[in-house]
Amino acid sequence: GNSVTQMEGPVTLSEEAFLTINCTYTATGYPSLFWYVQYPGEGLQLLLKATKADDKGSNKGFEATYRKETTSFHLEKGSVQVSDSAVYFCALSGGSGYALNFGKGTSLLVTP
Amino acid sequence: ETGVTQTPRHLVMGMTNKKSLKCEQHLGHNAMYWYKQSAKKPLELMFVYSLEERVENNSVPSRFSPECPNSSHLFLHLHTLQPEDSALYLCASSQNNNYFYEQYFGPGTRLTVT
Repeated sequence: GNSVTQMEGPVTLSEEAFLTINCTYTATGYPSLFWYVQYPGEGLQLLLKATKADDKGSNKGFEATYRKETTSFHLEKGSVQVSDSAVYFCALSGGSGYALNFGKGTSLLVTP
Repeated sequence: ETGVTQTPRHLVMGMTNKKSLKCEQHLGHNAMYWYKQSAKKPLELMFVYSLEERVENNSVPSRFSPECPNSSHLFLHLHTLQPEDSALYLCASSQNNNYFYEQYFGPGTRLTVT
């Protein structure tokens, strides 16, 4: 079945550092891929998405490219801010069933 | 603001109480979901409604009872819960045709069972 694997956290970075959060997936067919972010005390917010191979999703300085050859969708940001501290979830859709397949989440802490 | 609202935001209930969680979406979507988010565990899908019919129920105990009276509203009725049911309960909605698109989440209800 479909599944998503994210790098284990927590990830701690200094402000203005470069961020990479790894995400790889296993899926049949042609899934869509998503990154969600959850700020403390809130629900999940869609951060960005990509619906086909080689698509790049981007939002708020974050980017991720759908790599079919490596089955990956790594999240990157060139210069993180303290306000980016949150939990980031990689997810895919398009398999059997109705729901998204979520990774376990990666906690990011950005220090001043 | 994602267009999905949940009430209450916080709920404390005893094991013998009956309460309900409410979710409303203002996005015109045709599918709604309940998820459970516990500390240190992945998101767990509980129920899925598509066009107001329950289409997925992932082995959830009967003390959780969903209700979807129309495409904009979703309820989760709770009774005789256990302490391990304490968690953040998230509602989501999406527009599903022959392909399933991204889901939009509400802020969640933080449930504590005492």
